[in-house]
Amino acid sequence: KNQVEQSPQSLIILEGKNCTLQCNYTVSPFSNLRWYKQDTGRGPVSLTIMTFSENTKSNGRYTATLDADTKQSSLHITASQLSDSASYICVVSWGTSGTYKYIFGTGTRLKVLA
Amino acid sequence: EAGVTQSPTHLIKTRGQQATLRCSPISGHTSVYWYQQALGLGLQFLLWYDEGEERNRGNFPPRFSGRQFPNYSSELNVNALELEDSALYLCASSFSSYEQYFGPGTRLTVT
Repeated sequence: KNQVEQSPQSLIILEGKNCTLQCNYTVSPFSNLRWYKQDTGRGPVSLTIMTFSENTKSNGRYTATLDADTKQSSLHITASQLSDSASYICVVSWGTSGTYKYIFGTGTRLKVLA
Repeated sequence: EAGVTQSPTHLIKTRGQQATLRCSPISGHTSVYWYQQALGLGLQFLLWYDEGEERNRGNFPPRFSGRQFPNYSSELNVNALELEDSALYLCASSFSSYEQYFGPGTRLTVT
């Protein structure tokens, strides 16, 4: 069964600290993996997208890694800011060209405290 | 470049009524996706339209339907509303089934 699981479900950190969010998936054939940031009540905003051949990609203070062998991805946030408080959603795309499907993780809710 | 737009922002309906939600994709994008996000839950895939055709459908009852117009904008219709249909409905657009760009969503409240 194709699944995407994220951990932890929620996380509270102090401003300035680093944190790492996890995403494990079991989909085949794998196409790409994306991380989105979703502020409460808003639409998700793309942070990174990685294909099978990429194992790391950065977007400012956000760095995503992908291990296609173990089917794991992580999102590392460096020097967290209050504005990082949001839900972070891992999305895995699978299938072949023209028939892609998407599976969304349930997200990790991050709270950054001053 | 304008992003994905959705209307209305908020919609309040009573049980049994019908709701119509609208989405305008980014210019040049031919695919539109609809998702439901109930409070505290993850995004659930509803429908995918591409070039005016329904390409894929999530595990939702037939009272959830939609269409895509020649200008690639899309409507999501929910008939016979139930209380559990209350959720944030997100629309996303993409070109060639790659990166999806999300709109701000329509919050539907069913009373």
